[in-house]
Amino acid sequence: AQSVTQPDARVTVSEGASLQLRCKYSYSGTPYLFWYVQYQRQGLQLLLKYYSGDPVVQGVNGFEAEFSKSDSSFHLRKASVHWSDSAVYFCAATITGNTRKLIFGLGTTLQVQP
Amino acid sequence: GGIITQTPKFLIGQEGQKLTLKCQQNFNHDTMYWYRQDSGKGLRLIYYSITENDLQKGDLSEGYDASREKKSSFSLTVTSAQKNEMAVFLCASSIGSNERLFFGHGTKLSVL
Repeated sequence: AQSVTQPDARVTVSEGASLQLRCKYSYSGTPYLFWYVQYQRQGLQLLLKYYSGDPVVQGVNGFEAEFSKSDSSFHLRKASVHWSDSAVYFCAATITGNTRKLIFGLGTTLQVQP
Repeated sequence: GGIITQTPKFLIGQEGQKLTLKCQQNFNHDTMYWYRQDSGKGLRLIYYSITENDLQKGDLSEGYDASREKKSSFSLTVTSAQKNEMAVFLCASSIGSNERLFFGHGTKLSVL
Protein backbone atom coordinates (compact mmCIF):
# COMPACT_ATOMS: atom_id res chain seq x y z
CA ALA A 1 0.00 0.00 0.00
CA GLN A 2 1.14 3.53 -0.71
CA SER A 3 2.21 5.38 2.40
CA VAL A 4 4.23 8.27 3.77
CA THR A 5 5.97 7.85 7.11
CA GLN A 6 7.40 10.56 9.30
CA PRO A 7 9.06 8.57 12.10
CA ASP A 8 9.55 11.49 14.48
CA ALA A 9 6.39 12.94 15.97
CA ARG A 10 8.31 15.69 17.74
CA VAL A 11 11.78 17.18 17.31
CA THR A 12 13.38 19.75 19.60
CA VAL A 13 16.49 21.66 18.60
CA SER A 14 18.29 24.74 19.82
CA GLU A 15 18.23 27.94 17.80
CA GLY A 16 21.15 28.03 15.38
CA ALA A 17 21.51 24.25 15.25
CA SER A 18 21.11 22.23 12.08
CA LEU A 19 17.92 20.29 11.42
CA GLN A 20 16.83 17.16 9.63
CA LEU A 21 13.22 15.99 9.52
CA ARG A 22 12.80 12.51 8.14
CA CYS A 23 10.31 11.27 5.58
CA LYS A 24 10.06 7.82 4.02
CA TYR A 25 7.63 6.90 1.28
CA SER A 26 6.31 3.63 -0.01
CA TYR A 27 5.29 3.81 -3.68
CA SER A 28 5.95 1.80 -6.79
CA GLY A 29 7.85 4.04 -9.15
CA THR A 30 8.92 7.58 -8.34
CA PRO A 31 6.34 9.72 -6.63
CA TYR A 32 6.03 13.48 -6.63
CA LEU A 33 7.09 14.68 -3.18
CA PHE A 34 6.24 17.73 -1.14
CA TRP A 35 6.99 19.30 2.21
CA TYR A 36 4.34 21.55 3.74
CA VAL A 37 4.59 23.61 6.94
CA GLN A 38 1.77 24.60 9.28
CA TYR A 39 2.43 27.52 11.60
CA GLN A 40 0.19 27.88 14.62
CA ARG A 41 -3.38 28.79 13.73
CA GLN A 42 -2.58 28.94 10.02
CA GLY A 43 -3.20 26.77 6.99
CA LEU A 44 -0.53 24.61 5.41
CA GLN A 45 2.01 26.31 3.14
CA LEU A 46 4.26 24.67 0.58
CA LEU A 47 7.95 24.64 1.50
CA LEU A 48 9.27 22.76 -1.51
CA LYS A 49 8.47 20.06 -4.02
CA TYR A 50 10.31 17.43 -6.03
CA TYR A 51 9.13 16.20 -9.41
CA SER A 52 12.34 15.05 -11.14
CA GLY A 53 15.95 16.04 -11.88
CA ASP A 54 18.42 17.26 -9.26
CA PRO A 55 17.67 15.24 -6.11
CA VAL A 56 18.38 18.23 -3.87
CA VAL A 57 15.64 20.83 -4.06
CA GLN A 58 15.68 24.26 -2.50
CA GLY A 59 12.68 25.74 -0.78
CA VAL A 60 11.70 28.87 1.06
CA ASN A 61 13.36 30.21 4.20
CA GLY A 62 16.59 28.24 3.70
CA PHE A 63 15.01 24.80 3.69
CA GLU A 64 16.13 22.08 1.31
CA ALA A 65 15.26 18.42 0.84
CA GLU A 66 17.03 15.51 -0.76
CA PHE A 67 15.29 12.76 -2.70
CA SER A 68 16.82 9.29 -2.46
CA LYS A 69 15.35 6.57 -4.63
CA SER A 70 17.53 3.87 -3.09
CA ASP A 71 16.44 4.81 0.42
CA SER A 72 12.84 5.79 -0.49
CA SER A 73 13.34 8.99 1.45
CA PHE A 74 12.80 12.72 1.13
CA HIS A 75 14.38 14.26 4.23
CA LEU A 76 14.05 17.97 4.96
CA ARG A 77 17.11 19.93 6.12
CA LYS A 78 18.06 23.37 7.31
CA ALA A 79 21.58 24.50 8.19
CA SER A 80 20.61 26.86 11.02
CA VAL A 81 17.13 27.04 12.53
CA HIS A 82 15.41 30.12 13.89
CA TRP A 83 12.80 30.23 16.64
CA SER A 84 10.22 31.20 13.99
CA ASP A 85 10.70 27.80 12.34
CA SER A 86 8.71 26.22 15.18
CA ALA A 87 5.73 24.61 13.42
CA VAL A 88 4.33 21.30 12.24
CA TYR A 89 5.94 19.90 9.10
CA PHE A 90 4.14 17.50 6.78
CA CYS A 91 5.67 15.34 4.11
CA ALA A 92 3.31 14.36 1.27
CA ALA A 93 3.49 12.26 -1.85
CA THR A 94 1.48 11.44 -4.92
CA ILE A 95 1.94 9.21 -7.92
CA THR A 96 1.88 10.52 -11.47
CA GLY A 97 1.55 14.02 -10.10
CA ASN A 98 -2.08 13.57 -9.23
CA THR A 99 -2.63 15.66 -6.14
CA ARG A 100 -6.10 14.23 -5.81
CA LYS A 101 -4.27 11.17 -4.49
CA LEU A 102 -1.96 13.17 -2.27
CA ILE A 103 -1.07 11.20 0.85
CA PHE A 104 0.22 13.05 3.90
CA GLY A 105 2.45 11.81 6.68
CA LEU A 106 1.31 12.33 10.26
CA GLY A 107 3.52 15.37 10.67
CA THR A 108 6.52 16.29 12.80
CA THR A 109 6.20 19.04 15.38
CA LEU A 110 9.37 21.11 15.49
CA GLN A 111 10.15 23.12 18.59
CA VAL A 112 13.11 25.48 18.42
CA GLN A 113 14.45 26.46 21.82
CA PRO A 114 16.11 29.84 22.31
CA GLY B 1 -2.06 36.57 -5.05
CA GLY B 2 -5.18 34.81 -3.96
CA ILE B 3 -6.72 33.68 -0.75
CA ILE B 4 -8.85 30.84 0.58
CA THR B 5 -11.45 31.89 3.13
CA GLN B 6 -13.06 29.34 5.40
CA THR B 7 -16.13 30.15 7.50
CA PRO B 8 -16.74 29.88 10.32
CA LYS B 9 -13.35 29.73 12.06
CA PHE B 10 -14.90 27.90 15.01
CA LEU B 11 -18.01 25.74 14.99
CA ILE B 12 -19.67 24.27 18.04
CA GLY B 13 -22.46 21.79 17.47
CA GLN B 14 -24.71 19.36 19.27
CA GLU B 15 -24.72 15.60 18.82
CA GLY B 16 -26.80 14.61 15.79
CA GLN B 17 -26.84 18.11 14.33
CA LYS B 18 -26.22 18.82 10.65
CA LEU B 19 -23.38 21.32 10.30
CA THR B 20 -22.14 23.14 7.21
CA LEU B 21 -18.66 24.51 6.59
CA LYS B 22 -17.97 26.94 3.76
CA CYS B 23 -14.91 27.66 1.65
CA GLN B 24 -14.29 30.39 -0.93
CA GLN B 25 -11.22 30.84 -3.17
CA ASN B 26 -10.31 33.68 -5.51
CA PHE B 27 -7.41 31.93 -7.25
CA ASN B 28 -9.77 30.82 -10.05
CA HIS B 29 -8.54 27.27 -9.39
CA ASP B 30 -10.37 24.34 -10.92
CA THR B 31 -9.84 21.78 -8.16
CA MET B 32 -10.92 22.13 -4.55
CA TYR B 33 -10.52 19.78 -1.59
CA TRP B 34 -11.74 19.17 1.93
CA TYR B 35 -9.35 17.53 4.40
CA ARG B 36 -9.88 16.55 8.00
CA GLN B 37 -6.97 17.03 10.40
CA ASP B 38 -6.99 15.07 13.66
CA SER B 39 -4.25 15.19 16.23
CA GLY B 40 -1.84 12.34 15.57
CA LYS B 41 -3.56 11.28 12.34
CA GLY B 42 -2.32 13.76 9.78
CA LEU B 43 -4.60 14.95 6.99
CA ARG B 44 -7.23 12.75 5.41
CA LEU B 45 -9.11 13.60 2.22
CA ILE B 46 -12.90 13.80 2.62
CA TYR B 47 -14.10 15.13 -0.74
CA TYR B 48 -12.63 16.86 -3.75
CA SER B 49 -14.05 18.53 -6.85
CA ILE B 50 -12.30 19.05 -10.18
CA THR B 51 -14.82 21.53 -11.55
CA GLU B 52 -18.15 23.21 -10.82
CA ASN B 53 -20.86 20.66 -9.92
CA ASP B 54 -18.33 17.81 -9.76
CA LEU B 55 -17.89 15.79 -6.57
CA GLN B 56 -15.44 12.96 -5.87
CA LYS B 57 -15.22 10.97 -2.64
CA GLY B 58 -11.99 10.76 -0.74
CA ASP B 59 -10.92 8.22 1.83
CA LEU B 60 -13.10 9.64 4.62
CA SER B 61 -16.36 10.61 2.89
CA GLU B 62 -18.77 8.60 5.05
CA GLY B 63 -20.77 10.93 7.25
CA TYR B 64 -20.19 13.94 4.99
CA ASP B 65 -21.80 15.61 1.99
CA ALA B 66 -20.26 18.27 -0.23
CA SER B 67 -21.46 20.82 -2.75
CA ARG B 68 -19.67 22.75 -5.53
CA GLU B 69 -22.30 25.03 -7.01
CA LYS B 70 -19.78 27.63 -8.16
CA LYS B 71 -16.16 27.39 -9.25
CA SER B 72 -15.12 29.65 -6.38
CA SER B 73 -16.92 27.88 -3.55
CA PHE B 74 -16.94 24.42 -2.01
CA SER B 75 -19.04 23.57 1.03
CA LEU B 76 -18.90 20.56 3.34
CA THR B 77 -21.76 19.25 5.47
CA VAL B 78 -21.34 17.02 8.50
CA THR B 79 -24.57 15.05 8.20
CA SER B 80 -24.80 14.03 11.88
CA ALA B 81 -22.25 15.38 14.33
CA GLN B 82 -20.75 12.81 16.68
CA LYS B 83 -20.57 13.50 20.41
CA ASN B 84 -17.14 14.65 21.64
CA GLU B 85 -15.93 14.95 18.04
CA MET B 86 -13.14 17.45 17.69
CA ALA B 87 -11.19 18.11 14.50
CA VAL B 88 -9.94 20.81 12.15
CA PHE B 89 -11.33 20.86 8.61
CA LEU B 90 -9.02 22.29 5.97
CA CYS B 91 -10.12 23.49 2.55
CA ALA B 92 -7.58 23.64 -0.28
CA SER B 93 -7.46 24.40 -3.98
CA SER B 94 -5.11 23.83 -6.90
CA ILE B 95 -4.90 24.78 -10.56
CA GLY B 96 -5.13 21.18 -11.65
CA SER B 97 -4.11 17.73 -10.62
CA ASN B 98 -0.40 18.31 -10.95
CA GLU B 99 0.17 21.39 -8.89
CA ARG B 100 0.68 22.50 -5.33
CA LEU B 101 -2.23 22.92 -2.98
CA PHE B 102 -3.15 26.23 -1.36
CA PHE B 103 -4.84 25.85 2.02
CA GLY B 104 -7.26 27.89 4.09
CA HIS B 105 -6.74 28.48 7.81
CA GLY B 106 -9.25 25.84 8.82
CA THR B 107 -12.52 25.46 10.68
CA LYS B 108 -12.22 23.98 14.15
CA LEU B 109 -15.19 21.79 15.03
CA SER B 110 -16.23 20.84 18.54
CA VAL B 111 -19.29 18.72 19.29
CA LEU B 112 -20.82 18.82 22.76
